[in-house]
Amino acid sequence: SAVISQKPSRDICQRGTSLTIQCQVDSQVTMMFWYRQQPGQSLTLIATANQGSEATYESGFVIDKFPISRPNLTFSTLTVSNMSPEDSSIYLCSVPQAGRVNYGYTFGSGTRLTVV
Amino acid sequence: GENVEQHPSTLSVQEGDSAVIKCTYSDSASNYFPWYKQELGKRPQLIIDIRSNVGEKKDQRIAVTLNKTAKHFSLHITETQPEDSAVYFCAFLNSGTYKYIFGTGTRLKVLA
Repeated sequence: SAVISQKPSRDICQRGTSLTIQCQVDSQVTMMFWYRQQPGQSLTLIATANQGSEATYESGFVIDKFPISRPNLTFSTLTVSNMSPEDSSIYLCSVPQAGRVNYGYTFGSGTRLTVV
Repeated sequence: GENVEQHPSTLSVQEGDSAVIKCTYSDSASNYFPWYKQELGKRPQLIIDIRSNVGEKKDQRIAVTLNKTAKHFSLHITETQPEDSAVYFCAFLNSGTYKYIFGTGTRLKVLA
């Protein structure tokens, strides 16, 4: 299955600033997904990153707050913009295992974001 | 919208005992049901999955059962060990959007 390198692993940021999270996959994948996991909670899908087109956002998430880039089939970034303490969370990217959605996901190691 | 209910939210068992986690899903057309284990501070990892053409699947001490009629699926861990302590998430693949819906998680503690 695919191997994902996610950076940074953690960061502490001032409110009002932005942080960009990167995910690099060791193989080409059509779909990449970005999730948020608030402390002690489940996984919430933020958006699907599409290569060559705009990301598709889930209800409650908007492009101005969480802009996503997908310049090629192995790389994506998620930016958390104009941060507030409510954005403190773990952010994870994921890709389908074996290149197929119905074979489960592989997750990146996550970025633990603390906004102060 | 589509959702999955997961129970219990916390579960403590003695080492060597069995643990069972249950999920009920809403999408009757869904045909793929994975389970993820997330250890503290680590990423979720797929541990077992089941498709709708089978009722049960085993992998050593872990098994998953599926009842499509009742829209239930369950994770069974036998002979639990301290390293089984983690949060477990069930999920199902939404047949319309091809996106995963995750359960709320079960925090399993195996007491030595």
